[in-house]
Amino acid sequence: GQQLNQSPQSMFIQEGEDVSMNCTSSSIFNTWLWYKQDPGEGPVLLIALYKAGELTSNGRLTAQFGITRKDSFLNISASIPSDVGIYFCAGLWNTGNQFYFGTGTSLTVIP
Amino acid sequence: GAVVSQHPSRVICKSGTSVKIECRSLDFQATTMFWYRQFPKQSLMLMATSNEGSKATYEQGVEKDKFLINHASLTLSTLTVTSAHPEDSSFYICSARDQTIRGRGYTFGSGTRLTVV
Repeated sequence: GQQLNQSPQSMFIQEGEDVSMNCTSSSIFNTWLWYKQDPGEGPVLLIALYKAGELTSNGRLTAQFGITRKDSFLNISASIPSDVGIYFCAGLWNTGNQFYFGTGTSLTVIP
Repeated sequence: GAVVSQHPSRVICKSGTSVKIECRSLDFQATTMFWYRQFPKQSLMLMATSNEGSKATYEQGVEKDKFLINHASLTLSTLTVTSAHPEDSSFYICSARDQTIRGRGYTFGSGTRLTVV
């Protein structure tokens, strides 16, 4: 199936720093989702985006739906140790269909 | 709301045996559930789409006779790994969609760590 490319693949940052990651696809999507996965657990939804250009926040997290509908961005401000994990983007073409995951960004926060 | 329960969380089995993994939507009905497989340090790869009351749709390269999916009710889908081999060892995750919630309704189970020895 399709796979979305995420960058960077991994990040090591100091506590308190801001984080930016992005996700790109060769196909357009109508919905973008961002998930966080802790080790040994299933992904947990962070933010959902439904419209090109949309900018949505969830606490210290902000995500944007790219204008071309082929990309999305996630920013985390003032990182804390519990932000550690793997962040996945996911694209959805039509509601009710399956969606496809990005390759993941592993985040390590150094206290 | 929109809770998905997956069981078991961990299972170890011998080569050649079969293992069944359950995925339940606890507080909503799901006509469609999805099964994913995840290898260490990799992304989730969709294996199949489970449709209530009909046959599952498998992604290319996934053996339908090896990974049997049954979605007999609106709240339960099962994945059976038949004649398991060590290379089937992986993290299996299901997700289900609460159709009453636009877009955000895709909820994941906590996953099943399968180890075949």
